[in-house]
Amino acid sequence: KAGVTQTPRYLIKTRGQQVTLSCSPISGHRSVSWYQQTPGQGLQFLFEYFSETQRNKGNFPGRFSGRQFSNSRSEMNVSTLELGDSALYLCASSFWFQGEKTQYFGPGTRLLVL
Amino acid sequence: KNEVEQSPQNLTAQEGEFITINCSYSVGISALHWLQQHPGGGIVSLFMLSSGKKKHGRLIATINIQEKHSSLHITASHPRDSAVYICAVRVRDQFYFGTGTSLTVIP
Repeated sequence: KAGVTQTPRYLIKTRGQQVTLSCSPISGHRSVSWYQQTPGQGLQFLFEYFSETQRNKGNFPGRFSGRQFSNSRSEMNVSTLELGDSALYLCASSFWFQGEKTQYFGPGTRLLVL
Repeated sequence: KNEVEQSPQNLTAQEGEFITINCSYSVGISALHWLQQHPGGGIVSLFMLSSGKKKHGRLIATINIQEKHSSLHITASHPRDSAVYICAVRVRDQFYFGTGTSLTVIP
């Protein structure tokens, strides 16, 4: 099976712009989670989608939003970009097996906001 | 306050040394995961623990549920072990992460 793919891999934007990132999960995985990783904060949970519904949401402002399509592909959108949004954005698809949830991470999208 | 604390933040070791990375957490967890992140950004799962000890090659992971503590050990470290090691705890169906331990193994 192909792994989790994310596009684009690198992105440069300016303050005030918006950005959309895409994630394709492993075939058969219906759950997709998004994380923001910065050097100071580590990995922080943004939100999780399952079967096109948002199941959980982290503590991020409303500028961060996401959605999931019927084929389980997911997008996240950040509007009105701020310098502090510069980060590596990771998505992970997951499944439950024998009572445990296992996540598979994509390579990430590195966003630089100037 | 982070739910998950890791130590040390940075670690430099000579090839062949025994390495220990620690993880403490403050919440009741369903499971604990150790992850490895290489410089390119990709993250892979090394272990999932809910009790006891697991071994995979030169890597050993232990967890003490009562003390809310886990350790990741690397025996006979090698330069290819250089990476960031991240502790993650699962609380119901959500994950919380430590800030990671950056390990550099010098030949």
